[in-house]
Amino acid sequence: GAGVSQSPSNKVTEKGKDVELRCDPISGHTALYWYRQSLGQGLEFLIYFQGNSAPDKSGLPSDRFSAERTGGSVSTLTIQRTQQEDSAVYLCASSSGVVRDTQYFGPGTRLTVL
Amino acid sequence: DQQVKQNSPSLSVQEGRISILNCDYTNSMFDYFLWYKKYPAEGPTFLISISSIKDKNEDGRFTVFLNKSAKHLSLHIVPSQPGDSAVYFCAASERGSTLGRLYFGRGTQLTVWP
Repeated sequence: GAGVSQSPSNKVTEKGKDVELRCDPISGHTALYWYRQSLGQGLEFLIYFQGNSAPDKSGLPSDRFSAERTGGSVSTLTIQRTQQEDSAVYLCASSSGVVRDTQYFGPGTRLTVL
Repeated sequence: DQQVKQNSPSLSVQEGRISILNCDYTNSMFDYFLWYKKYPAEGPTFLISISSIKDKNEDGRFTVFLNKSAKHLSLHIVPSQPGDSAVYFCAASERGSTLGRLYFGRGTQLTVWP
């Protein structure tokens, strides 16, 4: 079946602009995660959605970052007033929602802020 | 501060030999550990995991060893194959966590040469 998909695959933007990154999880997966990987760093947790529960936003680095998940499926990560330090690969993952079930990752969106 | 550390950014091994990738952690609340493999332009894929109630878990050519007293785990690949060349990430989650948030190391680039 289809895996996690993300769009766009690459995004180049100018400092100060807003960007939206999209994630389509595996069908039926109730848990959805956003991570990012900056150059030379490991994956850094950003936000987690599980079903209809309030999302865990504890990893968002600033209030310029927000995410929503509509209808329990597609998720959008929005970065407002982008800064150069926001440049990274943004990865989305989904899982069945069972505790410690495998997280399946999408290919990521490479964001470059000029 | 990095709670999961992979101190070797790269490892080069001849085909057929053993590859040993190491990982250290600092958080005593971690009780579940995973290894992910990542090829260029793809998302990480789950490889193998281990719970803290075990000290070894095997899956084909891959074995993970956990030394809780040393807060250290290692991934052994035997025999190594050229297709194993990828970045390997160590990850962990906390005891009692129902959220599934993973903490990642910075990764080790494994190169297996013929």
